[in-house]
Amino acid sequence: DVKVTQSSRYLVKRTGEKVFLECVQDMDHENMFWYRQDPGLGLRLIYFSYDVKMKEKGDIPEGYSVSREKKERFSLILESASTNQTSMYLCASTPLRGSYEQYFGPGTRLTVT
Amino acid sequence: DQQVKQNSPSLSVQEGRISILNCDYTNSMFDYFLWYKKYPAEGPTFLISISSIKDKNEDGRFTVFLNKSAKHLSLHIVPSQPGDSAVYFCAASGSLTGTASKLTFGTGTRLQVTL
Repeated sequence: DVKVTQSSRYLVKRTGEKVFLECVQDMDHENMFWYRQDPGLGLRLIYFSYDVKMKEKGDIPEGYSVSREKKERFSLILESASTNQTSMYLCASTPLRGSYEQYFGPGTRLTVT
Repeated sequence: DQQVKQNSPSLSVQEGRISILNCDYTNSMFDYFLWYKKYPAEGPTFLISISSIKDKNEDGRFTVFLNKSAKHLSLHIVPSQPGDSAVYFCAASGSLTGTASKLTFGTGTRLQVTL
C-alpha cells in the first residue's frame, strides 16, 4: 500500500511565523503535490514537483514556497504565516508519467492566529 | 474561474437507493476525469476514473458516466450504503508538466446516506 505521511495532523501558529509542513511518501513516486482545502472552494493546487529539486507553481502559490531535496520528501513553507492561510493542507504523490491517480496524506489542519 | 464545478454542495439519499453526483467542466482540454471520496480528518481516496475516449466506466457499485458534448460527468452509486457518507470530489486532468499530471478539483458534494 502506498503511504503518504504528513508531519503534523494539527498545527497552531502565530501570524508572521515561518511554518514548515513536511510530507513523505514511501513508494518512490516521482511527482508530489501540495493542496489546500477550504469549504466551498474544494482542493486548490499550491505547488507541485516532478523530480528532485524541480518545482512548479500551481494555481495559488502566493505566500508559499516548497523544497524537494530528496525524492521521498516534499516540504511546504509559509514564509510569514497569515490568518488567511488557516486551512487544511493536503499532500499527494503519483508515480511516473501518465499516472493520474494521486495518493493523499491525511492532511494537516493549520490554524494561524 | 472554476473550471470544474459541482453545483450541489450536499445530497441526502436513503440507504439502498441510487446516489447521483454531478460534475460539470468548462475546459475542453480535459481528457481524464476522476472521483475521490473524503472522510472527515482523512485525505481523499481515489474511487473511479474515466478517460475521454469512453462514456462509461463501472466498478462494483460505482459507475461514472461522461458526456463530452455537454462537458458533464456523473457518479452513480447503487445501492447506496451508510458507509458511502462522505464528501465526493470530481477532478479533471489535461495538462502535463515533467511527468506530473495536474488535477483540477471541483468544490465537492457532501453525500449523506440515511437509514
